[in-house]
Amino acid sequence: GENVEQHPSTLSVQEGDSAVIKCTYSDSASNYFPWYKQELGKGPQLIIDIRSNVGEKKDQRIAVTLNKTAKHFSLHITETQPEDSAVYFCAATRHAGGTSYGKLTFGQGTILTVHP
Amino acid sequence: EAGVTQFPSHSVIEKGQTVTLRCDPISGHDNLYWYRRVMGKEIKFLLHFVKESKQDESGMPNNRFLAERTGGTYSTLKVQPAELEDSGVYFCASTPVAVGLNTEAFFGQGTRLTVV
Repeated sequence: GENVEQHPSTLSVQEGDSAVIKCTYSDSASNYFPWYKQELGKGPQLIIDIRSNVGEKKDQRIAVTLNKTAKHFSLHITETQPEDSAVYFCAATRHAGGTSYGKLTFGQGTILTVHP
Repeated sequence: EAGVTQFPSHSVIEKGQTVTLRCDPISGHDNLYWYRRVMGKEIKFLLHFVKESKQDESGMPNNRFLAERTGGTYSTLKVQPAELEDSGVYFCASTPVAVGLNTEAFFGQGTRLTVV
């Protein structure tokens, strides 16, 4: 089955700095890679995702890159703000049709703290 | 539109007792997933319903866990008898089609289960 490794487990940055979180996956058949943000007392919320036919995707201050050959993908947050502080999870899955139909495999999570 | 709703938000029970968690998915979402996060580790898949049918229950830890989705609407996850290692946060998610097919998984806020 799929295995996703996420690093670092904790990340502390100053407001305005950039933050990068990296994930690697094991199943070369995975083709959808979402990133979730979980704030205290809330459930995970999708912030950005990328599919295997795309190498990079950007949405305002956040961007995700995917290297299919190396089987890793990264989340980049620029100009961080205190409200970016949360737990971030990467995940991977395969499109419908395979045995991992609709099932997300998550990384271990990264606690991001942005200091004012 | 209401999101995915889970209750209770927090449950503390003694070892050996029974607990039932409930998830109300977004109206019209045929796919419902249960996940669990134990002790700050990764969020792990438990099972997947398509309407009232179990599509994939490969992540269920053992036969102390029973999930149902009668009528294809809300779902319950019963743990009987509860053990200490069952403590964690249980998340429910729903999608109109399988994750990865141009849609995202919407998560509930989770139920924090503490077994003492």
